[in-house]
Amino acid sequence: GQQVMQIPQYQHVQEGEDFTTYCNSSTTLSNIQWYKQRPGGHPVFLIQLVKSGEVKKQKRLTFQFGEAKKNSSLHITATQTTDVGTYFCAGKMRGSQGNLIFGKGTKLSVKP
Amino acid sequence: KAGVTQTPRYLIKTRGQQVTLSCSPISGHRSVSWYQQTPGQGLQFLFEYFSETQRNKGNFPGRFSGRQFSNSRSEMNVSTLELGDSALYLCASSLIANEKLFFGSGTQLSVL
Repeated sequence: GQQVMQIPQYQHVQEGEDFTTYCNSSTTLSNIQWYKQRPGGHPVFLIQLVKSGEVKKQKRLTFQFGEAKKNSSLHITATQTTDVGTYFCAGKMRGSQGNLIFGKGTKLSVKP
Repeated sequence: KAGVTQTPRYLIKTRGQQVTLSCSPISGHRSVSWYQQTPGQGLQFLFEYFSETQRNKGNFPGRFSGRQFSNSRSEMNVSTLELGDSALYLCASSLIANEKLFFGSGTQLSVL
């Protein structure tokens, strides 16, 4: 079946270090979305990428969508303690009824 | 603009009982999706409604059902509860189905 794999499952970093999480789909996607869930909270939408090879930045966060629209990455530069949480990618499948399939998330902890 | 409202916030039930969870989407959002979140499995898609029609259903048994009303409010029902149904149930609304989801705070269901 359709799957979205996300790695790593956990990442522990020292404050100030960089962080990257990767997402891979078994099929070509219509778009990829990224969400952040703080501990005890609910997922919050960060960004949506639609075009092949697209790169978007939000302050210290850089999001990329692969040329084949099957993979994506989220890179955080110089992590801060406020970046703590679980980052989920979600791939929207192609087709008129495109399902949204979430990766299992990468849990980021930041040591001050 | 009010966010997505889910009630109740917490629920404790025993095996064999049934439960109904409620979700009020953001005003103007006609698409409502439901997800089950557990530590081991991440976010699992349950179903998606748009204008009172169920358009997509995830891989869950028939004990899980839902509906959407004319005002876009949605309910999901789980009958004959099992221990494994203990999870955080998240509702999300969006303008376009499966894009830029706004999640509610969820209902934490514990089955004893």
